[in-house]
Parts: sequence; structure tokens; C-alpha cells
Amino acid sequence: AQTVTQSQPEMSVQEAETVTLSCTYDTSESDYYLFWYKQPPSRQMILVIRQEAYKQQNATENRFSVNFQKAAKSFSLKISDSQLGDAAMYFCAYRSLPKLVFGKGTKLTVNP
Amino acid sequence: NAGVTQTPKFRVLKTGQSMTLLCAQDMNHEYMYWYRQDPGMGLRLIHYSVGEGTTAKGEVPDGYNVSRLKKQNFLLGLESAAPSQTSVYFCASSSVGQPQHFGDGTRLSIL
Repeated sequence: AQTVTQSQPEMSVQEAETVTLSCTYDTSESDYYLFWYKQPPSRQMILVIRQEAYKQQNATENRFSVNFQKAAKSFSLKISDSQLGDAAMYFCAYRSLPKLVFGKGTKLTVNP
Repeated sequence: NAGVTQTPKFRVLKTGQSMTLLCAQDMNHEYMYWYRQDPGMGLRLIHYSVGEGTTAKGEVPDGYNVSRLKKQNFLLGLESAAPSQTSVYFCASSSVGQPQHFGDGTRLSIL
């Protein structure tokens, strides 16, 4: 069974600085998707970024980018120029159709 | 466009009572899911459906039943609620190869 591990239960960053959240996963499959979701205090689950495993190029969405290392089964999220609104729980997720497996999350605090 | 709508948003039950959570999506998605979220545990899959009339067990299915009689609706039932089922429940839907869209969650407390 696929597993997703987020080794940092909590992280903090100063406003305007950069932070990287770690995620590793375990799978024997070669074709899959990876996602980062953000959950602010409002409880909504918001898709931040996604990566297809067959693509070597790392995905980027504005201030958010990933470092996808397929051989190492690592999928970290980098947030640049952190903003107060980035404070939230962040979940890494692995998708092998039709299911999605989540990590336990990293709570990100942004300090002014 | 409402997306994924969960009903109710909040509910308190007594042990042994039954209830049904409703999830409705208006995006014509094939796949629908029910998750529970507990502190420190992330989201865990309870049951899912790959199409109308089909359901399958996820990671933590015990104590729950589901039905998908219509493509747009996915119901989660608790036949005899237990305090261990106190949680926040999320419904999600997706098309093949696309990210899941989540509802706003239902906070369920069982006394």
C-alpha cells in the first residue's frame, strides 16, 4: 500500500522569507500524481500544486514550487516570499487512481 | 457553480443514534469520496465510488455505509454512532486524472 510521510509536524517562517516543506512517499507504481493541499483555519481544502510522475520538470504555481525527486520518492514544497495568508496546514497527497493517500500534515506559521 | 456541497455542516449526536451525511456535486464527476479528518492523522479515506451504483471500501470503513444511487450524490451513513466517530468529515469528487474537489466539511460530535 502507498504511504505518504510528512516528517515536519510544524514549521515556521518569517514573512517574505522562503520555507520548504518535506514529503516522502512509498510506492511500487511508475505512473501517479502528487499534490500539495492547503487547509487554512476555515477548514477548506485548497489545491496548491500538482505534479505528474512522468514529467521531469518541477511544477510551479506563482510563489509555490516543488522539488520532485522520483528516484528518491521525495516531493517537497517551496514557498517563496511567504505571506501571512500562507499560514495553514499543508498536506502532501499521493494519487493512484482512484484513491488519494494523504500525509499527516505540516502546520505552517508565518511570523510578521 | 456550487462545486461540492455537504449537508449538514455541523451535527451533535448521542451514542447509538443514526444519521446520514449528504454530499452533492454539480461537476458531473465520476469519482466521489468520503474522508474523515482527526487531529494529527491527516485525512483518511472511508469509502469511495467510481461511478453511479458502485462503492468501495477505503482505509477506515468500519461503522460506515455509503450509497451512490445518483451520479451527483454520495451518502455516508452511520447506523449506530460511537464516540470514536467524532470527527470532521469531508466529501470530495473528481474526474479521471484530475485533482479532487473538496466540500467544506461536516463537524460531527458524538456524545
